[in-house]
Amino acid sequence: ETGVTQSPTHLIKTRGQQVTLRCSSQSGHNTVSWYQQALGQGPQFIFQYYREEENGRGNFPPRFSGLQFPNYSSELNVNALELDDSALYLCASSLPGTTNYGYTFGSGTRLTVV
Amino acid sequence: AQKVTQAQTEISVVEKEDVTLDCVYETRDTTYYLFWYKQPPSGELVFLIRRNSFDEQNEISGRYSWNFQKSTSSFNFTITASQVVDSAVYFCALSGIQGAQKLVFGQGTRLTINP
Repeated sequence: ETGVTQSPTHLIKTRGQQVTLRCSSQSGHNTVSWYQQALGQGPQFIFQYYREEENGRGNFPPRFSGLQFPNYSSELNVNALELDDSALYLCASSLPGTTNYGYTFGSGTRLTVV
Repeated sequence: AQKVTQAQTEISVVEKEDVTLDCVYETRDTTYYLFWYKQPPSGELVFLIRRNSFDEQNEISGRYSWNFQKSTSSFNFTITASQVVDSAVYFCALSGIQGAQKLVFGQGTRLTINP
């Protein structure tokens, strides 16, 4: 089974621009979560999608938005980029309710805002 | 609110030593999950273990063992006979069982195993 893949791996954007990050979930997983990890910190929950609907959101402004597609892949969109948005963005897929339930993480997209 | 504290920011030991990573958590939920993840330099978070709050049995997997004590809200992780390949950042995390089940992570402990 394939794991979680994220693209691109690295990205440099200018303050004020918009960015779209992509995630393909592990085969069979219907839930996708996005996390932001600033340098030297633990990941922070942005939001989660379950069957194409937002299923929970962390303390992030509305300029962080997302989508989940019928094949359970997902996008994270960030508008009006700020310097503090520079971070590693991690996507995690899961299948809640299963015995071995756990999150499978991708390698992340490292976003630098200059 | 949920909170996870990993008081040890960095630990450095010599290969073959045993090392314990501490994790203390706070939650108002009566049932919850606890996790440990390993983050190597490549960046992905590698799942190590999930523990249900109603299962306090300690677990051993090879050189890894976990000590869950609900009375002290701790979920510590011990590596026995450490190896250089164990060098990574380790995160303890907590999630609820209902709803979005978001993971709340600690700050992480950077573990360096020196040859």
